Amino acid sequence: AQSVSQHNHHVILSEAASLELGCNYSYGGTVNLFWYVQYPGQHLQLLLKYFSGDPLVKGIKGFEAEFIKSKFSFNLRKPSVQWSDTAEYFCAVDSGGYQKVTFGIGTKLQVIP
Amino acid sequence: DAMVIQNPRYQVTQFGKPVTLSCSQTLNHNVMYWYQQKSSQAPKLLFHYYDKDFNNEADTPDNFQSRRPNTSFCFLDIRSPGLGDAAMYLCATSRDSPTSLGDNEQFFGPGTRLTVL
Repeated sequence: AQSVSQHNHHVILSEAASLELGCNYSYGGTVNLFWYVQYPGQHLQLLLKYFSGDPLVKGIKGFEAEFIKSKFSFNLRKPSVQWSDTAEYFCAVDSGGYQKVTFGIGTKLQVIP
Repeated sequence: DAMVIQNPRYQVTQFGKPVTLSCSQTLNHNVMYWYQQKSSQAPKLLFHYYDKDFNNEADTPDNFQSRRPNTSFCFLDIRSPGLGDAAMYLCATSRDSPTSLGDNEQFFGPGTRLTVL
């Protein structure tokens, strides 16, 4: 069974600091990879996704993620965070077959003005 | 706007009293999912429908059932809620994909928070 690990459960940053959230998965085959975000009081929504092609994926609001197959990783980055990025971030992996997706435990990001 | 709607947003039930949570979508997606999310845990897939085909996760308790009467609606029935079933329940949809690894981005509803007294 596939699994997803998010190593940072709670991150606190000052505005303008750089962000990197780690995500590793266990499945050895072809995967689709996602980062979802949940802003306070709102529902989960897609931040970015990787299916194939360029392993560096650009998402909304200046976020990007890099798929490194050899490391089974899909880390999320943003060069300069804003207070409005305060949210919970979930990494998710889909290994195919009836669109089954496994989520990580989530990382709560708090950005201090 | 096309969206996923969940009702109610908050549900309180008594121990052992059946409860039904509802989800509707205007996206016309073929796949609908139900997740359970407890505090500080990952969303856990309970089951999903691919059109009318029901797919239950192996570790989903029998206490949880689902119905999908049409493309737009999907229900989660908890037959005898226990204290351990208190959680946020998330409904999501995704487009039908012709391949096993297609564009299956999921669109989530706001969730229903279930409290069991």
